[in-house]
Amino acid sequence: DQQVKQNSPSLSVQEGRISILNCDYTNSMFDYFLWYKKYPAEGPTFLISISSIKDKNEDGRFTVFLNKSAKHLSLHIVPSQPGDSAVYFCAAFSSGSARQLTFGSGTQLTVLP
Amino acid sequence: DAGVIQSPRHEVTEMGQEVTLRCKPISGHNSLFWYRQTMMRGLELLIYFNNNVPIDDSGMPEDRFSAKMPNASFSTLKIQPSEPRDSAVYFCASSPTSDLRGQYFGPGTRLTVT
Repeated sequence: DQQVKQNSPSLSVQEGRISILNCDYTNSMFDYFLWYKKYPAEGPTFLISISSIKDKNEDGRFTVFLNKSAKHLSLHIVPSQPGDSAVYFCAAFSSGSARQLTFGSGTQLTVLP
Repeated sequence: DAGVIQSPRHEVTEMGQEVTLRCKPISGHNSLFWYRQTMMRGLELLIYFNNNVPIDDSGMPEDRFSAKMPNASFSTLKIQPSEPRDSAVYFCASSPTSDLRGQYFGPGTRLTVT
């Protein structure tokens, strides 16, 4: 049973528009969430994170929103650029006694010029 | 800094053969992680070490998989015997602390078992 789900395997967006990537989780013990970006033939790199005590974190063009009641988070990229084309992984972390970091299956974002 | 180094980058082997994947973490990092990425399951944590000691190996799929970290600058992930369903990209990551969140990933090893 996947505890972190990214239900959209792919997303295409026009350059300059907003990209919205979604992630759902089931474990209420998760208290920290991260987004990683992965280019082909490279390892994932950290992009942005959010603690469960917040509902929004912004870093330049990237904003992560957390809705704890819905167990849902999203990554917004505005404006989208062709260089943003990559696979985006959502990850959830539990700092409790059973520490774990669980990744979703990823969403391939393609930004069309 | 060269980042996390993995070798080989690509490995093709026949079913039943032994496969050894290698990882050199970033110097000074004291935690090391092995992941497997597949289309179906995404990124799965297989095992992680802290100060060369295995902390959690609950993600290791079965006894055919084993991992070692003989020193702070080297780790191996071994599969014996390999099976076609082991075909995946295997990532190694390291972190300067025991915090699972601060990880730097290597470029991965693409394993194909025929």
